[in-house]
This record gives sequence, C-alpha cells and structure tokens, in this order.
Amino acid sequence: EPEVTQTPSHQVTQMGQEVILRCVPISNHLYFYWYRQILGQKVEFLVSFYNNEISEKSEIFDDQFSVERPDGSNFTLKIRSTKLEDSAMYFCASRRDRWDNQPQHFGDGTRLSIL
Amino acid sequence: AQRVTQPEKLLSVFKGAPVELKCNYSYSGSPELFWYVQYSRQRLQLLLRHISRESIKGFTADLNKGETSFHLKKPFAQEEDSAMYYCALTGYAGGTSYGKLTFGQGTILTVHP
Repeated sequence: EPEVTQTPSHQVTQMGQEVILRCVPISNHLYFYWYRQILGQKVEFLVSFYNNEISEKSEIFDDQFSVERPDGSNFTLKIRSTKLEDSAMYFCASRRDRWDNQPQHFGDGTRLSIL
Repeated sequence: AQRVTQPEKLLSVFKGAPVELKCNYSYSGSPELFWYVQYSRQRLQLLLRHISRESIKGFTADLNKGETSFHLKKPFAQEEDSAMYYCALTGYAGGTSYGKLTFGQGTILTVHP
C-alpha cells in the first residue's frame, strides 16, 4: 500500500536557523497538508495546499512558515527563523480528492527539536 | 469554528471488557467524523469514519447529531488495542473546506491482560 514518507525523522536545529521538512505524498494525491503536535498537546492543522497554492492556513501558520511543491513529488515545509516553541512533531498528510470525501493519509512525522 | 473534545486522556480496561472512548464535537455545518489510531511508534492511521458505517477491528462508532457525539466502542477489548486514539472532524459548510482535520486531545487506551 502506498505511503506518505517524511524526512528526516528527527531534526535538531539551533534557534534562529532555517529548517526544511520534507514530505513525499502518495503519488496520485492532489491535496496536501501539514499538521504539528507539540509534546503533550493535540494535533493541530497548519496548512493545506492544492493546485500549487495554499488553500487554507491556520493562525499558527504565520510569515515564518512557507510551503512549496518544488517538483512533482516533494512537498516541503520551511520555517525561516526557528523559535524554541517550534519544537514539535510535524506530520505531513495527503488526500486523493476533495469531493470523494477521501480520508487523509499521514506520514510518520518529523520530530523537530529547537535548541 | 470546529472543535473536538475527548474528555478522557487515559482509559484503562482489562482484556475482554467493553470499551468506549468518548468524543464530542462542535460544528455549525455538516461534519464528517473520523477516528484515527496511533500505535506505539507508528503513524496516524484511519480507523473508521462515520459515513462508512463499518466496523474495523471490532470497533464501531455512531454519529449522534442530537448529542453531537461520535463515541468509539468495542464490546471486547484486546491487548493489541492499546494505543492512542484521536477523534477528528472535517467540515463541508458551503463546500469551502479543503478537508482540514480538527483533532481532539486524544485518549490513551491501555488494555491490561
């Protein structure tokens, strides 16, 4: 069964540095998402992406965050200048189609630790 | 606004006992409810969704719009059911949603032998 893959599994970065989290969605999926989960808290929606543009974003997704689909396979989340509070597990998800009510498929997540 | 509440952070039962994980939601439009499960060190996996009305691994969940609930039930819990369970909602009010999921806090289910 095809899976969403995320790299790296764990990223350690100094505060203030830029970080890029990578995701390869399932190949025939059209909708892409990023979520994050701060330790001990709920999974929170960050952004959805469709047709090469952001379709929806949360209040968390401020100017420090950006997403990109640089080629036909990767979907990246960039944090420009990381803060301590960005430490979290980041999940990528993809979905085949909006109107079919297809569920989202999640990757294993990237654990981001900001020092 | 979308909101999902799972009132129990931890739930412990013995093998063979019935289990019910509670989920309540708040949404003004037409919601779609899901249960996701996360086994130790594994990814979030879809367990079931209300529109399918199916039973997966012995689990069922019925959407009760009057009580705005979507509780997950299993009549006889097994040790392998031990995991984190998340209730999640997506909405289609006016067809404007692109499918973002709103999650509850999660419930850690432990099934003792």
